[in-house]
Amino acid sequence: AQSVTQLGSHVSVSEGALVLLRCNYSSSVPPYLFWYVQYPNQGLQLLLKYTSAATLVKGINDFEAEFKKSETSFHLTKPSAHMSDAAEYFCAVSPVNDYKLSFGAGTTVTVRA
Amino acid sequence: NAGVTQTPKFQVLKTGQSMTLQCAQDMNHNSMYWYRQDPGMGLRLIYYSASEGTTDKGEVPNGYNVSRLNKREFSLRLESAAPSQTSVYFCANGVANEQFFGPGTRLTVL
Repeated sequence: AQSVTQLGSHVSVSEGALVLLRCNYSSSVPPYLFWYVQYPNQGLQLLLKYTSAATLVKGINDFEAEFKKSETSFHLTKPSAHMSDAAEYFCAVSPVNDYKLSFGAGTTVTVRA
Repeated sequence: NAGVTQTPKFQVLKTGQSMTLQCAQDMNHNSMYWYRQDPGMGLRLIYYSASEGTTDKGEVPNGYNVSRLNKREFSLRLESAAPSQTSVYFCANGVANEQFFGPGTRLTVL
């Protein structure tokens, strides 16, 4: 079975500072990996995904994530936080041959002016 | 295009009552999913349907039933609601390895 661990349930950053959200997965083979964002009272929106192509994946709103097989990690970064980045972020994993997602517990990001 | 729509947006039930959550998509995707979201637990898969006419259990199916009425619609039924089913429910559809989520139904069971 695959699982996802997100380190840190809450992250607070200053506007303009680096955003770093950590995600580690457990899987016997490299899976597909995803980051989703959820704004207050809304559904989830895909930020980016890794599907065994380039290990550095760029997504919407200047977010990017790097797949590191040796560390079983898929951390999400954004160079400069904006107030509109305040949301909850979920890392998710699915087996390559199965499209069911397993989600991490989520990380809430607050951005300080 | 609305994408994925869910009704109702909010619902309050008493213990033991039944209800059906509706989900419809206009994206023509084969796969549909029902998740529940609880604080600190992320989203957990309740049931899914890989295609019209098929349904399978996910991680937390107990207390729920589903119907894939046609390619567009996938409903979730609570036959006898319990307080432990208080949650936010999300429907999603999918193509290949990408899923698209509806806005959610916030359910409270008293």
